[in-house]
Amino acid sequence: DAGVIQSPRHEVTEMGQEVTLRCKLISGHNSLFWYRQTMMRGLELLIYFNNNVPIDDSGMPEDRFSAKMPNASFSTLKIQPSEPRDSAVYFCASSVGTGLFYGYTFGSGTRLTVV
Amino acid sequence: DQQVKQNSPSLSVQEGRISILNCDYTNSMFDYFLWYKKYPAEGPTFLISISSIKDKNEDGRFTVFLNKSAKHLSLHIVPSQPGDSAVYFCAAVTTGGYQKVTFGIGTKLQVIP
Repeated sequence: DAGVIQSPRHEVTEMGQEVTLRCKLISGHNSLFWYRQTMMRGLELLIYFNNNVPIDDSGMPEDRFSAKMPNASFSTLKIQPSEPRDSAVYFCASSVGTGLFYGYTFGSGTRLTVV
Repeated sequence: DQQVKQNSPSLSVQEGRISILNCDYTNSMFDYFLWYKKYPAEGPTFLISISSIKDKNEDGRFTVFLNKSAKHLSLHIVPSQPGDSAVYFCAAVTTGGYQKVTFGIGTKLQVIP
């Protein structure tokens, strides 16, 4: 198994542009989490899907952020328009169920820089 | 409001000695705790966990201790190895509900050869 695959690994964009981050889950995993990592706030949960349904999106900063899970193996996180304060590393993670006892499997992250 | 606090942003330890990483939490509803390890340019990986019904869990060189009355947990690595150099995240869960995991901001451990 190739693990959780995120693309792109790095993204540099200008303020105001649309950014789309992609994530492919591990086959058989039915939960998907998008996290954002910053120095000040650590790992923050943005949104959680279970069986393709968004369960908790309370961490999505504002309407500029949206996430979709069009099928059981793929998810996108879109930022439009992007702002410099969105610069961070974005991780997606997947698990079987809530992943409580075996942990999440994280992707390698997308480092986003908005200039 | 950080519900899971890792107050030491970094820690340096000599190879072979003990590394102790600390974590405090404020939410008394947390009843399950995890540690994740993260290398540069990689995602975090699950390391070890502990339920609130226990006060200690051991896995090889890694031991997690939980002090519920103090709302404090610690990760001990003995002996420390250079390959342990990484960022360690403490995380906490309330097992009721959908079991949302709340992470701390991490502690960067450097093990000096």
